[in-house]
Amino acid sequence: EPEVTQTPSHQVTQMGQEVILHCVPISNHLYFYWYRQILGQKVEFLVSFYNNEISEKSEIFDDQFSVERPDGSNFTLKIRSTKLEDSAMYFCASRPGTGTEKLFFGSGTQLSVL
Amino acid sequence: RKEVEQDPGPFNVPEGATVAFNCTYSNSASQSFFWYRQDCRKEPKLLMSVYSSGNEDGRFTAQLNRASQYISLLIRDSKLSDSATYLCVVNILWSNTGKLIFGQGTTLQVKP
Repeated sequence: EPEVTQTPSHQVTQMGQEVILHCVPISNHLYFYWYRQILGQKVEFLVSFYNNEISEKSEIFDDQFSVERPDGSNFTLKIRSTKLEDSAMYFCASRPGTGTEKLFFGSGTQLSVL
Repeated sequence: RKEVEQDPGPFNVPEGATVAFNCTYSNSASQSFFWYRQDCRKEPKLLMSVYSSGNEDGRFTAQLNRASQYISLLIRDSKLSDSATYLCVVNILWSNTGKLIFGQGTTLQVKP
């Protein structure tokens, strides 16, 4: 089965530093998402992306966050100035767009902000 | 009130037991319903969609009661490999982006 690929699997950074999390969604998918899960808490929606623009974002997704699809295959999440509370597992997901609501999740990037 | 509410458990059951998980959702406009499974520190994986008429997939049976805004998952003949966190997930009708709202999950531990 095709997979959503996320890199790196672990990212350690200092507070205030910028990080970019990388995702390669499944090639024929049209909708892309970032979710995060703080340890011990629920999976939370951050942002959805369709037709090269953000279609919806949550309250968590403030000005420190941005997403890009720079080359038609990669889908990145950037956090400009990381805070301790940004430490979480970040999941990228994609779906085809029609015919199914099933989201295909990547294996996640564990971000640790020190 | 939480958008999707689940009993966090843990549910500790012996192999072969039948176990049921419940979930309630607050938004009556919720359109689609799912159970996902999440293993420790891994990504959520779709277990099954939940339909109004109820649906079954092997040992797993899901039920939806729209009037009560209630979803259930029944696991029969539990296996050790069923040990995981089960996430109740809904898709809100007015969110045309396909955004999913996750519950906190119910942890199941199946013991030999």
